[in-house]
Order: sequence, then C-alpha cells, then structure tokens
Amino acid sequence: EAGVAQSPRYKIIEKRQSVAFWCNPISGHATLYWYQQILGQGPKLLIQFQNNGVVDDSQLPKDRFSAERLKGVDSTLKIQPAKLEDSAVYLCASSLGRASGSYEQYFGPGTRLTVT
Amino acid sequence: AQSVAQPEDQVNVAEGNPLTVKCTYSVSGNPYLFWYVQYPNRGLQFLLKYITGDNLVKGSYGFEAEFNKSQTSFHLKKPSALVSDSALYFCAVRSYTGGFKTIFGAGTRLFVKA
Repeated sequence: EAGVAQSPRYKIIEKRQSVAFWCNPISGHATLYWYQQILGQGPKLLIQFQNNGVVDDSQLPKDRFSAERLKGVDSTLKIQPAKLEDSAVYLCASSLGRASGSYEQYFGPGTRLTVT
Repeated sequence: AQSVAQPEDQVNVAEGNPLTVKCTYSVSGNPYLFWYVQYPNRGLQFLLKYITGDNLVKGSYGFEAEFNKSQTSFHLKKPSALVSDSALYFCAVRSYTGGFKTIFGAGTRLFVKA
C-alpha cells in the first residue's frame, strides 16, 4: 500500500513570495490533515478535510494560508505572502475517518519550508 | 480546553533497560489517545492507540502504553530498550470540543545508549 505522498520535499523562498504544497493521501482515506511543525514543537493542525469538505480550519491563518481538496483526493496548501515565521515543516496526514471508527493518522514525509 | 503534556524533553536509558515516556492529558469527555514516533529524516509513524477496552494496549516494535483514567495519563513503555528506539515520540489526544479535534504534545526525545 502506497503511503502519503508530498511534494516538494524542500522549498526555500524569500518573504512575501508565495508557495504551494501538494499532498496525495492513502487511497480510500476520507480524512486529510495539514499540520505545521515548527522545530522543537509538536505538529499543529492547520486544516482538516472530510472528503472535500472542511471540518476544522480554526488555526489556519486565513489572511495568508489557503487549502483545497478538490474531488476529495489530492490537496494543496498555499501560503501567500510568506513570512519569516512560516519557516517550518508542513506535514500532510490521512486517516480512514469517522465512518470506519479508525482515527490513527498516516503521515507523509513533509515539506521543509525555509523563508529568508 | 483540551491539552496534552509530555513533561520530559528528553529521556535517556541504557540499552536493555525498560523505558517509559510520559504523557498526561486534559480533555472533556472520553479521549482517544495515540502515540507516534518520528525517526530522523522520516515522517511520523503511528505506534499505538487507546480507544476503549483494556487499559494496556500493545503496538508496533514491542511498545505498549497504559491508559490510566484517574491520573489522566497514557505513558508509553517498553520492557527492553534498543538503540534503534532512539527517536522523537509524540503523544496525541482526540476528543470532542466543538467538533472532534486531535492535538499533539511537544514531543519527547528518547536516547538509548549502547
């Protein structure tokens, strides 16, 4: 079974530039999550999708971050414009979801973003 | 508000000795509890979970965790540590707070010395 795929693995941009991350979850996983992990901290949930609907985006900085999950499969997370404090690893995860009663999450390798 | 605490930034143990990585939580209602491990240059991996039932749950790589409702704890344990267990461990809790949310602790770095 293929795992969660993410690209790119690394990205370096200047502040005020824009960047986009892509995620392909495990096939059949209804729930998709985007996390921000700053060095030395645990992952912080940015947004959670159930199929193609947003379940929770309470911690997403909506003035600069956006995310979509068209067709309930792949997802993209965008930052525009980036700030220095956005430097972090962005993790995508998926889980089977509520209908299965299985809530453990499976993570991709992450995208390490450096904003200079 | 729900929260997860991992009181130790780092745990050091000698190979072959038992290890414990601590986790306490604060939620309203019944929690779902998880442990994840992050090896260097790799993504987080699911280790084990407690949903309901037996308070002692077993997971991957010989790890187990004990759910203690009265102490609101979910400590990760292993009877005999391996050098290859050295990694970053995260405790997570899923509970209902205006919707089901999962939050992660700050992580505990386990260092197993040969």
